[in-house]
Amino acid sequence: SQQGEEDPQALSIQEGENATMNCSYKTSINNLQWYRQNSGRGLVHLILIRSNEREKHSGRLRVTLDTSKKSSSLLITASRAADTASYFCATDATGANSKLTFGKGITLSVRP
Amino acid sequence: GAVVSQHPSRVICKSGTSVKIECRSLDFQATTMFWYRQFPKKSLMLMATSNEGSKATYEQGVEKDKFLINHASLTLSTLTVTSAHPEDSSFYICSAPYLGTQYFGPGTRLTVL
Repeated sequence: SQQGEEDPQALSIQEGENATMNCSYKTSINNLQWYRQNSGRGLVHLILIRSNEREKHSGRLRVTLDTSKKSSSLLITASRAADTASYFCATDATGANSKLTFGKGITLSVRP
Repeated sequence: GAVVSQHPSRVICKSGTSVKIECRSLDFQATTMFWYRQFPKKSLMLMATSNEGSKATYEQGVEKDKFLINHASLTLSTLTVTSAHPEDSSFYICSAPYLGTQYFGPGTRLTVL
């Protein structure tokens, strides 16, 4: 399997609901990052969590990291139609400036 | 915040021609940049690491003679797809690290006819 696998692969929710996306990885990491990609666009950095952190918040985003289970979750609260996008987790194994390994991505659809 | 630009955003070319894609860090310097390729509804695949002042480091399976990378300055890396073929059609994205975060360009959609 690939490093940084997200589940579910696709998620459809109603506006106002919370969306939870999970990511698992296989090797030791320095940090884990979540990105959003709108169709046909580049990636937007959402949040970075370091291996010694367990939880982090940024606006409507909450990310957790469990290094013992090699997993992370991204929670988007009070979702909006504009949150519709693909979400990727990416791991960095050798330092902040090193290359990232991306998961397969989750397609989130928020129905208005 | 840090901004990375790419040019062009879209390019259509004939099979056998070469195409150059530019990646620029607009408000910071980057000694390292990364080039990714993304197929429709798929994740990003790292192609190579571009190093300012030295040769690029290619990932396994990526042809270095096919995808030429030049990191001419601290703000510019170029990817040249040589003798492009229809199977090279894809979305190419670059990134550059700044203060611990990778910032991505908007991507270049390459279509080879």
